[in-house]
This record gives sequence, structure tokens and C-alpha cells, in this order.
Amino acid sequence: NAGVTQTPKFQVLKTGQSMTLQCAQDMNHEYMSWYRQDPGMGLRLIHYSVGAGITDQGEVPNGYNVSRSTTEDFPLRLLSAAPSQTSVYFCASSRVGQPGSAKNIQYFGAGTRLSVL
Amino acid sequence: DAKTTQPPSMDCAEGRAANLPCNHSTISGNEYVYWYRQIHSQGPQYIIHGLKNNETNEMASLIITEDRKSSTLILPHATLRDTAVYYCIAGFYNQGGKLIFGQGTELSVKP
Repeated sequence: NAGVTQTPKFQVLKTGQSMTLQCAQDMNHEYMSWYRQDPGMGLRLIHYSVGAGITDQGEVPNGYNVSRSTTEDFPLRLLSAAPSQTSVYFCASSRVGQPGSAKNIQYFGAGTRLSVL
Repeated sequence: DAKTTQPPSMDCAEGRAANLPCNHSTISGNEYVYWYRQIHSQGPQYIIHGLKNNETNEMASLIITEDRKSSTLILPHATLRDTAVYYCIAGFYNQGGKLIFGQGTELSVKP
């Protein structure tokens, strides 16, 4: 059971380059999200989606784009990378349930470590 | 979502119970308390959650005070593999949930 798969695991970019971080889940989860984690910090929400065709912004959306064309995939795009985007990026997914339901438990990928020079 | 406050770090001896406190004094009546942990740069892992009753699963116990303004995560017999950052999150999740992570508590289990 693969769960949440993120690719690549590591990436080095030059300032101004673009790239897409991939996230795929095989649990048929409606909800998917992207977080970034800077050294010594907690996770901060970038974007999230409650289903195919629906996305919304989190705490720190600037500089990132997302789309959700399928239930399984939720790619994160950096259009013009900046050194401030050097971070570890985590993707997560969950079902959508009533408050307190175990369906709302989020499952995280292993992360993508991105360095922008 | 309610703001949570946790101590930045704690130590625990291997085999002893680890009691991790969390303050969520502004929590509303329909907000749940969730605990996740992150082991050395891995993705966070769900531990347990609750509303007002104490909860227990195979990983831990969650004790929520009667006024719901604070809670304690208990790892009954901590092992070295429990060394991690533990996050307490309070919120009302009906669409998967926008988890808002704070700084968490860095728990070090020592032999």
C-alpha cells in the first residue's frame, strides 16, 4: 500500500527556474494539501483541495500554484523559484468526514527537500 | 482554529511515561484536539484525537481537562523511537481539515 507518494525526494534549482513537485495518493482521498517546513519551524499550509477541480489557499500561497484534475494527483508548481522557497515540502491527504471522524486523519508523504540557489 | 501552546522541549527516560502538555484555552465547544508527531524530518504521523472524553489507542492516551482548556498526551512506556516533535492541534474539521501546526514539543527519550 503506497499511501502518499512525493517525487522527487531532493531537488536543487537556480533562482528563476520553474518546477513541479508531484504528489499522488492511492487511497481515494478527497482532501489533499501541501505544506512547507523551514528549519526549526512547524509546518505551514500552502494550498489545499477538497476534491477534483477545487483548490484554495492556505497560510503561505504566494509563489505557488496548484491544480487538481484527478482525485489521485495534486501537483505543486513553482513558476519562478526564489531562495526563500528553499524548504522541505510535504503533501498530505485524507477522507472528508464529519467533525471528529477518523476520516479526517491526514496521511503525509515523505517530503521533497528543495534548495533554491 | 484555537491557538495552542506547548513547551518547546522535554526529556523522558526510556521505559517511563512521557506526559506532553498542551494549552488550548480559546478552544470552542465543537473543536477537536489532535496530536501528530514528526520523527526526524519524516512526514508527520497521526497519533490520537478527542473532543472532551479521554481517549486511548495503541499508541497513546489523551487526557482532556473538564473545561477543555488543556490536554495531555501520554506515551505510557516511552522508547528511543518515540523521540520526535509532537504537535497539538485544535480545530473543527469537516472537510479533511486545514491543520495549523505550531512549534510543537521536541521530546527526547534518553536511555
